[in-house]
Amino acid sequence: TQLLEQSPQFLSIQEGENLTVYCNSSSVFSSLQWYRQEPGEGPVLLVTVVTGGEVKKLKRLTFQFGDARKDSSLHITAAQPGDTGLYLCAGRSSGSARQLTFGSGTQLTVLP
Amino acid sequence: EAGVAQSPRYKIIEKRQSVAFWCNPISGHATLYWYQQILGQGPKLLIQFQNNGVVDDSQLPKDRFSAERLKGVDSTLKIQPAKLEDSAVYLCASSADRGLVWPQHFGDGTRLSIL
Repeated sequence: TQLLEQSPQFLSIQEGENLTVYCNSSSVFSSLQWYRQEPGEGPVLLVTVVTGGEVKKLKRLTFQFGDARKDSSLHITAAQPGDTGLYLCAGRSSGSARQLTFGSGTQLTVLP
Repeated sequence: EAGVAQSPRYKIIEKRQSVAFWCNPISGHATLYWYQQILGQGPKLLIQFQNNGVVDDSQLPKDRFSAERLKGVDSTLKIQPAKLEDSAVYLCASSADRGLVWPQHFGDGTRLSIL
């Protein structure tokens, strides 16, 4: 079973601060996705990274896929209260079923 | 386009009772997934369907959980009998399966509480 460990598990910061969330595994993934989940809702896809070393930016969010495709990071610049939520990384295996394995999540709270 | 629809939104039952959840995926999506999300954890895949065939059910507790996807569209997930540890949110997702990076679209889930 492929495991994804996320850190930190909880993060509470003030509006305007920067933060980084990490997603690590000993397994190689063909692609990795980041989702955000709000209370009472399902996860919503933010980004997919495919190539080792790839960096993608989505407004104030920067996503990076590790060179070996085993880890990823999410950096948020100048966090806003609207960024509050559960951030989940999910790795896709290279097997035929293309299963998606989710990390345990990082609960982010941005205080105004 | 309409999103993934799930019902009911909430369900409270006593242990050893039965419960069923329903999912209607996005139109045209061939793959359907059921996940279990326990409070404080990420979603865990229970079963994956490709059209109406099972692709992966390795993490489905088959002694009490069952799922079907008739005609390759709607799906139901059943628990019989329920245990206390089944308290969780059950998420349904669907994807179009076009290429390596297809996204999964999630419903809002059914929150199950076992008393």
